[in-house]
This record gives sequence, C-alpha cells and structure tokens, in this order.
Amino acid sequence: AQSVTQLDSQVPVFEEAPVELRCNYSSSVSVYLFWYVQYPNQGLQLLLKYLSGSTLVESINGFEAEFNKSQTSFHLRKPSVHISDTAEYFCAVLNTGFQKLVFGTGTRLLVSP
Amino acid sequence: DAGITQSPRHKVTETGTPVTLRCHQTENHRYMYWYRQDPGHGLRLIHYSYGVKDTDKGEVSDGYSVSRSKTEDFLLTLESATSSQTSVYFCAISDSGAGETQYFGPGTRLLVL
Repeated sequence: AQSVTQLDSQVPVFEEAPVELRCNYSSSVSVYLFWYVQYPNQGLQLLLKYLSGSTLVESINGFEAEFNKSQTSFHLRKPSVHISDTAEYFCAVLNTGFQKLVFGTGTRLLVSP
Repeated sequence: DAGITQSPRHKVTETGTPVTLRCHQTENHRYMYWYRQDPGHGLRLIHYSYGVKDTDKGEVSDGYSVSRSKTEDFLLTLESATSSQTSVYFCAISDSGAGETQYFGPGTRLLVL
C-alpha cells in the first residue's frame, strides 16, 4: 500500500526567507506525485505535479519540487516566500495504474513579516 | 476554475438523522470523488465513481453510501449521522484517473450534534 509522510505539521518562516516542506512516500510501484495548496476556507488547488521526465518541476508562483526516487522524496521549496504563501500544503501520491490519490496530513506554512 | 459546486455549504444536524451532500460538475469529467478532511489526517477518500452507476469504496467508507445517476451529479449519503462524521467534505473531479489533476470543490462543513 502507498503512503505519504509529511513530518512537519507547521512551518513558521519570515517573509523573503527560503522554505522547504518535506514529503516522503512509500510505494512498491511507479508513482505520480502532487503538491496541492489550500488557502483558508477554500478547496485544494494543484500547485505542481510530477508524472515523468525531468525530476524538477516548477509552479507558476515560484515553488519547485524535486522527485528523488532513491530517497522516495518529493520536497517542496521556494527561495523567497511571501505573506500570501500562508496556507496548508498537501503532498499526494498516485500509483500508476490506480485511480486513488493518497494524501499526506498536510503542512501549515505560516509566513510572518 | 473547474465548474464544481457542492451543496449545502454548511449543515448542522443531529445524531441519527440522514444527510445527503451533493456534488455537481459542469466539466463532463468521468471520475468523481468524495473526501473528508480532518485535522491530523489530511484528506481521506470515502468513495469514488468512475462512471454513471459505477462506484467503489475508499479507505473510510463505513457509514457512507454514494450514488451517481448522471455524469454531473455525485451524491454522498450518511444514512444515520454520528458525531464522528463531523468534518469538512470535499468533492473532486478528474477527466481520467491516472496522473490527471483532481479539481476540488469548495467543501461542505458538516456538524453532527
């Protein structure tokens, strides 16, 4: 069975500082990997995803994540955060051949001035 | 934004009463999903549908049933609501299962007293 671990439930950071949100997964087969973001009182929105090809994927708002097969990780990074990045971030894994996403427990990113 | 609506958006009910939540999409996507979101658990899949009248269980399906009589509507029913079913419920859609982005609705906040 596949599972996702987000070890950090909350990450406080100052504005313009770099941040890394960690995600590790377990699966015995090939996977697709996703990061979703949830702003307060809203549904989830896709931030970025890895399906195949380049292991480094980027979002339009400056986030990036790198698929590391040997470490079974898909950490999310941003070199300089903004107040507006305050949200909860969910990592998710989908086994190729299956239809069901499995989510991590989420990491709340708190950006302060 | 993907055309997904959920109704009601908020509901307060009493233990033992039946509750039906509705998810409506205008995207003609094949797959529809119901998740619940609880602190410390992230999102967990309740049921999903891969076509009209085709549904399957997720990891937390006990106490829930679903129906999909039309492509655009996916209903989640709590036959006899319990306090443990107090949660935020999200509907999601995707065009195909493998690797495709899931688009989420705005959520329904359910309180069972």
